[in-house]
Amino acid sequence: NAGVTQTPKFQVLKTGQSMTLQCAQDMNHEYMSWYRQDPGMGLRLIHYSVGAGITDQGEVPNGYNVSRSTTEDFPLRLLSAAPSQTSVYFCASTSIDTQYFGPGTRLTVL
Amino acid sequence: GEDVEQSLFLSVREGDSSVINCTYTDSSSTYLYWYKQEPGAGLQLLTYIFSNMDMKQDQRLTVLLNKKDKHLSLRIADTQTGDSAIYFCAESIRGTYKYIFGTGTRLKVLA
Repeated sequence: NAGVTQTPKFQVLKTGQSMTLQCAQDMNHEYMSWYRQDPGMGLRLIHYSVGAGITDQGEVPNGYNVSRSTTEDFPLRLLSAAPSQTSVYFCASTSIDTQYFGPGTRLTVL
Repeated sequence: GEDVEQSLFLSVREGDSSVINCTYTDSSSTYLYWYKQEPGAGLQLLTYIFSNMDMKQDQRLTVLLNKKDKHLSLRIADTQTGDSAIYFCAESIRGTYKYIFGTGTRLKVLA
């Protein structure tokens, strides 16, 4: 049972480039979410999904897109990377009482 | 509004007890959680407590919940160097899948 997987683990982008962070879960959870973690700021919610075909914005959605075509996958797309998006990104999958996190993607935008 | 607050740093000596504190503002939380994050890793669920409980014990971990003061604490008995990590407090909001996280407390255990 892999739980929540994320790829890549590390990524360096130049300003203006686009990329997709992948997230998959094998627990058949309906609810999935993306967070970013910055020093001294805890985790901030970017986007979330309550099921296939349904997504919504979190606290800091600007500059990011998501889609949810299947229950298992929830990719996060950076449209035009900016240095302010340098962060560690975590995907999470939620059961009725617990949120499970992936190992994270460390992104640097130059 | 919804907010979860923690102190940023805590330093203890190996073998002592550690107490990490958290305050929250939303009284409609269903569960309250403690997560541990080791360097370069994701968040690992340590323990959680249902909002109608006062205390939960799990081996070296004791969680205390004071609903009146909206205060949650995590006590780690016989703290070891392997306990050095960032500890996040979080609450889930009743009726939603929404979680609110604190800023995290960095625990440093001195040998």
